[in-house]
Amino acid sequence: QKEVEQNSGPLSVPEGAIASLNCTYSDRGSQSFFWYRQYSGKSPELIMSIYSNGDKEDGRFTAQLNKASQYVSLLIRDSQPSDSATYLCAVRVQKDSSYKLIFGSGTRLLVRP
Amino acid sequence: GAVVSQHPSWVICKSGTSVKIECRSLDFQATTMFWYRQFPKQSLMLMATSNEGSKATYEQGVEKDKFLINHASLTLSTLTVTSAHPEDSSFYICSALQAYSNQPQHFGDGTRLSIL
Repeated sequence: QKEVEQNSGPLSVPEGAIASLNCTYSDRGSQSFFWYRQYSGKSPELIMSIYSNGDKEDGRFTAQLNKASQYVSLLIRDSQPSDSATYLCAVRVQKDSSYKLIFGSGTRLLVRP
Repeated sequence: GAVVSQHPSWVICKSGTSVKIECRSLDFQATTMFWYRQFPKQSLMLMATSNEGSKATYEQGVEKDKFLINHASLTLSTLTVTSAHPEDSSFYICSALQAYSNQPQHFGDGTRLSIL
């Protein structure tokens, strides 16, 4: 089992719709969760961080965390073509007395005009 | 916000050349820096973690003698790919962490390395 799993997609939604991106993780001790956006050929850009169960909203983005189910999601409201990118779920885990950020393989999102 | 500068952004060189990539945290002190590699259509793979003033910790399968990491100060880490070969061609990205906390990691813009 991979440490962080995401559906590779592509997830295709029309402009203005809600895009829902999901992620599961295996380490129950994880406390920090992040969503990054990566455009082709570019480095990841932080969108959201979430540390507590429940929802966290920032503009058009809402991150949801359910530690009991080991599940993290990202909702993008009013999707725009410029949101088309690969979205990476990342989980911080503790290994060998240090913290590491483990990435999922990413979900490619396509927003159709 | 926290800014991480990575240089160079693009390198093309002949097989056997050593290439040095710099990663700087511009407006914060990075206690820990991370080096990732990303092949086309794949996710980021952690290569090594470095703490200022100490030896880097390499992930399984990463050759420490080939990928030399130096983290001499709280704002600078370097990755040297020694005697690079075509199979080392990839997108290398550094990341910096401000403190031993829940702070998010901030990424540099990446270095695209092409070995001919």
